[in-house]
Amino acid sequence: AQSVSQHNHHVILSEAASLELGCNYSYGGTVNLFWYVQYPGQHLQLLLKYFSGDPLVKGIKGFEAEFIKSKFSFNLRKPSVQWSDTAEYFCAVNAKIKAAGNKLTFGGGTRVLVKP
Amino acid sequence: GAGVSQSPSNKVTEKGKDVELRCDPISGHTALYWYRQSLGQGLEFLIYFQGNSAPDKSGLPSDRFSAERTGGSVSTLTIQRTQQEDSAVYLCASSFISEGAYEQYFGPGTRLTVT
Repeated sequence: AQSVSQHNHHVILSEAASLELGCNYSYGGTVNLFWYVQYPGQHLQLLLKYFSGDPLVKGIKGFEAEFIKSKFSFNLRKPSVQWSDTAEYFCAVNAKIKAAGNKLTFGGGTRVLVKP
Repeated sequence: GAGVSQSPSNKVTEKGKDVELRCDPISGHTALYWYRQSLGQGLEFLIYFQGNSAPDKSGLPSDRFSAERTGGSVSTLTIQRTQQEDSAVYLCASSFISEGAYEQYFGPGTRLTVT
């Protein structure tokens, strides 16, 4: 079974600082990878996804993530954060095998607080 | 267009009572998922429906939990004889399954509190 770990539980930074959130998964086969975001009081929404092709993917709101297969990682980055990026961020994995169906395995989440 | 909707948004129930949580997926989406978000366990998969196939129930924590999906659309998650550890936010998601890429769209969740 696959598992996902997010290294930081809480991150506090100032506006305009750069953000990088780590995500590692354990699964030996091919995977689909996702980052979801949950803003305060709102539901989960997709930031970006990787299925195949270019390992550097760009999502909404200036976020990007890089899939490094050799490191089983899919780290999320944003060069310059805004106060509105305050949210909880979840990395998720889906194994590309029929037995896995399409269910997502989530990391524990990282709470990001951006100070104005 | 309309997103995934869930009802009720909040539910407080006494230990031992049964509860039903409802999910209306996005129209046309063939797959429907239930997840649970709790403080100690994070986001956990519960059950997955895809078209007319048998559901994947591998994430249900006990036989007190069950779900059905009627007419390939609305789904109900039922928890019998609720326990305090069932307190969590129950999330529903739907997706359109096609060859290759897909993404899951989440509803706002039902916050269940068992007293």
